[in-house]
Amino acid sequence: KNEVEQSPQNLTAQEGEFITINCSYSVGISALHWLQQHPGGGIVSLFMLSSGKKKHGRLIATINIQEKHSSLHITASHPRDSAVYICAVAGGSEKLVFGKGTKLTVNP
Amino acid sequence: DTGVSQNPRHKITKRGQNVTFRCDPISEHNRLYWYRQTLGQGPEFLTYFQNEAQLEKSRLLSDRFSAERPKGSFSTLEIQRTEQGDSAMYLCASSRDRATDTQYFGPGTRLTVL
Repeated sequence: KNEVEQSPQNLTAQEGEFITINCSYSVGISALHWLQQHPGGGIVSLFMLSSGKKKHGRLIATINIQEKHSSLHITASHPRDSAVYICAVAGGSEKLVFGKGTKLTVNP
Repeated sequence: DTGVSQNPRHKITKRGQNVTFRCDPISEHNRLYWYRQTLGQGPEFLTYFQNEAQLEKSRLLSDRFSAERPKGSFSTLEIQRTEQGDSAMYLCASSRDRATDTQYFGPGTRLTVL
């Protein structure tokens, strides 16, 4: 079982819909990262969380340390949000362990 | 552009050849990470440096793989005697210090081994 599980694997939405992507992990962590990867490979860091909630524009990330769970929400989704969203955790060592990613497609 | 550059962006090689990739991190970043990503999967950790010291290597990094960061600035990843299973995207990232710091990723080097 992967240490980091994301759901769903694929998500198709209509423009304007509210999107939720979930991430569960099985190890103790010092931080959780949400990353965005566009076709062609470039990865951009969206959030780094160790507790609570963060918001940036239409993106909101939350984490529940006790439940070992994090969610990434996108409000008023737009076709330009189409990408792969990856959850990664920093555990006991200094390396990141990544989920497989959630492929989001937002149709106009 | 995150400020992290990687060269080359694409590399096609024949099985058995050696290849070397370069990563130039953001200049004030002490940490440099190498990851490998295959199609449909998330990145997998390969190794990381704190300045010039290589502090951790994944079991994925067989003895055909070697990485250096000689002056604590740019890094190179060399794969010797390439195999078809080495075909992947090789990603480099840098951060200020710890894994809890934001990592800035380069565009990656896509390796195809024929």
